[in-house]
Amino acid sequence: QKEVEQNSGPLSVPEGAIASLNCTYSDRVSQSFFWYRQYSGKSPELIMSIYSNGDKEDGRFTAQLNKASQYVSLLIRDSQPSDSATYLCAVNRGSYIPTFGRGTSLIVHP
Amino acid sequence: SQTIHQWPATLVQPVGSPLSLECTVEGTSNPNLYWYRQAAGRGLQLLFYSVGIGQISSEVPQNLSASRPQDRQFILSSKKLLLSDSGFYLCAWSVFLGVNTEAFFGQGTRLTVV
Repeated sequence: QKEVEQNSGPLSVPEGAIASLNCTYSDRVSQSFFWYRQYSGKSPELIMSIYSNGDKEDGRFTAQLNKASQYVSLLIRDSQPSDSATYLCAVNRGSYIPTFGRGTSLIVHP
Repeated sequence: SQTIHQWPATLVQPVGSPLSLECTVEGTSNPNLYWYRQAAGRGLQLLFYSVGIGQISSEVPQNLSASRPQDRQFILSSKKLLLSDSGFYLCAWSVFLGVNTEAFFGQGTRLTVV
């Protein structure tokens, strides 16, 4: 079983809709969870961190964490074409070693 | 504020040639440093990480090596490149803050071995 799993997509949503990106992880002791956005040809950019069960909101982005189910998600409200990118889920192994999923490609069409 | 510099941005090298990629971090002390590789259409693979000068941990045995000669400098090397070494190489840094430790990436080096 891979440590961090994501559906590769692509996930296609219309402009203005809510995009929902999901991630599962295998290590029950993981405490830190991150979402990175990667535009084509560019390096990943950290957009959200979450450490406690529940929701964390930042602008149009909401991260959700359920440690019992080993599940973390990212919701993007009012999706824009500029949100089209690959979204990488990462989980810290130990305290400081990020392990990444393969990423989900998001396409927001006008 | 902290910044990370990685160079070169692109590199085309023949098979069997050596490699040296350099990464430096500014604005922080004693960072954790990482080298990742992203092959086309694949996820980020951790190659090496370092928690201090001269301390290197290797994740994947291969013909690559890493060194940390200074606190904020991390170098990825190879004596002889293989075709399979092609990919997008990313340096990253973090500062240990317990559960709040976040990693940030440099701009990456796209390596093509021909």
